[in-house]
Amino acid sequence: GQNIDQPTEMTATEGAIVQINCTYQTSGFNGLFWYQQHAGEAPTFLSYNVLDGLEEKGRFSSFLSRSKGYSYLLLKELQMKDSASYLCAVTDSNYQLIWGAGTKLIIKP
Amino acid sequence: GAVVSQHPSWVICKSGTSVKIECRSLDFQATTMFWYRQFPKQSLMLMATSNEGSKATYEQGVEKDKFLINHASLTLSTLTVTSAHPEDSSFYICSARDVSGGHNEQFFGPGTRLTVL
Repeated sequence: GQNIDQPTEMTATEGAIVQINCTYQTSGFNGLFWYQQHAGEAPTFLSYNVLDGLEEKGRFSSFLSRSKGYSYLLLKELQMKDSASYLCAVTDSNYQLIWGAGTKLIIKP
Repeated sequence: GAVVSQHPSWVICKSGTSVKIECRSLDFQATTMFWYRQFPKQSLMLMATSNEGSKATYEQGVEKDKFLINHASLTLSTLTVTSAHPEDSSFYICSARDVSGGHNEQFFGPGTRLTVL
């Protein structure tokens, strides 16, 4: 079966750095997405990785290792507005998105 | 990025009535649109994949006669919840796939919160 695992909840301090991990087992791989979702709102796109390595975009970076079936989202200089759920999703061989359950990130002052 | 709109944003209806939700891709053509539902504190659950000009593909456990999907054009898909009941109350989110950038990225609409009384 297809499976994506990520921690249910994480807590971090404002101004700090946090890394959210995601591991996946899917039938084929055509890219990995990270989305941010605030409570009561639809997800918004954060990043896309299809090759191994680190993609940096401002305070957010995303890393991928296809051989390990592993990705992480790194958030730097945390702000209170970063409190949200972070969803990892993988595109399989049929270009269907397989979703993780999401990681709820709580930022404390 | 590409913009997807959804209408209405929220709707309250009586049990037994039908509700139609529209999903539009505003600045790109979407041959494929997806309909999700999300219960509080849970992840997205794919309901169906809608392809322009053909029948939607429903996920296991989703009743196609209850959740009618029409994808009549490259920019519009509709989801009709027929004979709605309180257990259908949920957050319904559509997304549209933009293949032009090569990422097959899905862009999400803002969601529709349905409350069935």
